[in-house]
Amino acid sequence: EVQLVESGGGLVQPGGSLRLSCAASGFTFSSYWMSWVRQAPGKGLEWVANIKQDGSEKYYVDSVKGRFTISRDNAKNSLYLQMNSLRAEDTAVYYCARQLYCSGGSCYSPYYFDYWGQGTLVTVSS
Amino acid sequence: QSVLTQPPSVSGAPGQRVTISCTGSSSNIGAGYDVHWYQQLPGTAPKLLIYGNSNRPSGVPDRFSGSKSGTSASLAITGLQAEDEADYYCQSYDSSLSGSRMVFGGGTKLTVL
Repeated sequence: EVQLVESGGGLVQPGGSLRLSCAASGFTFSSYWMSWVRQAPGKGLEWVANIKQDGSEKYYVDSVKGRFTISRDNAKNSLYLQMNSLRAEDTAVYYCARQLYCSGGSCYSPYYFDYWGQGTLVTVSS
Repeated sequence: QSVLTQPPSVSGAPGQRVTISCTGSSSNIGAGYDVHWYQQLPGTAPKLLIYGNSNRPSGVPDRFSGSKSGTSASLAITGLQAEDEADYYCQSYDSSLSGSRMVFGGGTKLTVL
């Protein structure tokens, strides 16, 4: 069974830092692109960042570029999100999600998210 | 303001059919990008409902179906059930002069009357 379990959320002051982790199990973690997606309280979904299987490619939404860093450790089946210079508008539940491009012999653009973690809440407030 | 526009809410009685639209433009859905749909039950993480415009993952009832035409996509739910009450999100990609990015619709809250 595929499982994604996030941790590391909490309350942090504006300008502070936090590191989120996502522990993956039930699949070959090193074979998949992975993403972080966030959801502000009462709001919709926003893709934040993603990372290639070997960590050689990383992409970010403009609003977090230069502040957030996505990384992974395939030996530990873990995904990370280092968040620096946090702002009030970063307050959200952060989900890690597995990406897929292809299924059943067909491929799609863009990729989609076939499994999600339960999320971890990050609150940026003084 | 989401690049993909969904109605904030829809409702229907048990057994009825409802549709949720996802309206885009020539820089996203109209450019040929696929549309995926997610269901988010209250207090839970999103769950993949439809991928590649019209494909259901294993375990998703065939009451749920998706379609795409031109610059829009739709999610249809037939035989509405109480457990379908949730938020629904469409997802695609937008590529314009201002940049390229993954995008979600603003979400639609489905109420089962």
